[in-house]
Amino acid sequence: DIQMTQSPSSVSASVGDRVTITCRASHGISNYLAWFQQKPGRAPKSLIYAASSLQSGVPSNFSGSGSGTDFTLTISSLQPEDFATYYCQQYNNYPLTFGGGTKVEIK
Amino acid sequence: EVQLVESGGGLVQPGGSLRLSCSASGFTFRTYAMHWVRQAPGKGLEYVSAISSSGDSTYYGDSVKGRFTISRDNSKNTLYLQMSSLRAEDTAMYYCLSSSWFWGQGTLVTVSS
Repeated sequence: DIQMTQSPSSVSASVGDRVTITCRASHGISNYLAWFQQKPGRAPKSLIYAASSLQSGVPSNFSGSGSGTDFTLTISSLQPEDFATYYCQQYNNYPLTFGGGTKVEIK
Repeated sequence: EVQLVESGGGLVQPGGSLRLSCSASGFTFRTYAMHWVRQAPGKGLEYVSAISSSGDSTYYGDSVKGRFTISRDNSKNTLYLQMSSLRAEDTAMYYCLSSSWFWGQGTLVTVSS
């Protein structure tokens, strides 16, 4: 199985801050990587697929980059509604594995 | 508007069975692979199972292999997960996920005596 390692596991930030979350795959996955946002008590919501393609309706302050084994999710200017937990997922091979999550908290 | 609506969750005793359903609308269901993902209380996301668009191919995570069966009825735009020999560690919110990256709202399965 491909292991997905996210860092940091949590980050404290203020509104307006730039936040970067990284995801590393144990083997190369090309660009078959997705990012999801999950708020407490809610279902996950898809943000990015194919490493850098924004899902329809997702604000442009979210962006993704990377290929191979190293990937990044960047929130360019943190908004109040962005405080949540973020997960990466590889879909290059079954099982489709998730990172452990990054909780973005209010500083 | 794309909608995925899960149902069928509930409280079941260890060793029991349950069938989850995921009703899809707003997209061409028959052309997309579908997935089940679960999340135990306070934990991260765990991949459970997948099925191809036609239903010919399936995949199961190691933790559910031999106990869970995924299926679909493209004439009814519905995805299923038949769960048997349930264990306490199967307690989780179960989500369906389309390969076009839409999630359902989840259905809670609690395995307890």
